[in-house]
Amino acid sequence: EVQLVQSGAEVKKPGESLKISCTGSGYRFINNWIAWVRQMPGKGLEWMGIIYPGDSDARYSPSLQGQVTISADKSRNIVYLHWGSLKASDTAIYYCARRHSGASIDAFDIWGQGTMVTVSS
Amino acid sequence: DIQLTQSPSSLSASVGDRVIITCRASQSIRSSYLNWYQQKPGRAPKLLIYSTFALQSGVPSRFSGSGSGTDFTLTISSLQPEDFASYYCQQSDSGPPFTFGPGTKVEIK
Repeated sequence: EVQLVQSGAEVKKPGESLKISCTGSGYRFINNWIAWVRQMPGKGLEWMGIIYPGDSDARYSPSLQGQVTISADKSRNIVYLHWGSLKASDTAIYYCARRHSGASIDAFDIWGQGTMVTVSS
Repeated sequence: DIQLTQSPSSLSASVGDRVIITCRASQSIRSSYLNWYQQKPGRAPKLLIYSTFALQSGVPSRFSGSGSGTDFTLTISSLQPEDFASYYCQQSDSGPPFTFGPGTKVEIK
């Protein structure tokens, strides 16, 4: 079964660092871009950034550039989302999603279950 | 960056109703790069329609997509109880960022 499994919920204080993960299985992991999508409480989906695990080429939404870092460990089929210093406004559910791109498709076809991050003093 | 708007932002409908959701882009999008997702409360989004028209495997035929250029629609021909959810359009034509629309919440009347 093709799936993405994310790490568990986190509760952190402002200023702390955090790295959450997304592990792929059931397909050739290095061949598909993986995106991160944020959903703040009661809000819609916000595209954050994307990485190609094969060479760790990462791209970011201009609005979030510099606030997070996306990395990959292709030997372990894992993609990470990292914050150096969390803010209360980072409280959200974070989803990873596989980009399936080809001749007739370019969409996010497999999604992780989501990781809830709560930042509160 | 391409911006997407959706209308309505929410709607109330009854089982059996025909529902139409519109997605408008700030610039033209090639049809292969406009997708729709369904998200139920507490669940991850799910790909519903890709490349404007194509149903993802397992998606019921009451869902359909259409459009071109800057205007796209998602139609549910006969709303079922399991269709009450939020729906998002998303573009992969120009980016990153591969933006999502703000969403449409379909509620029970």
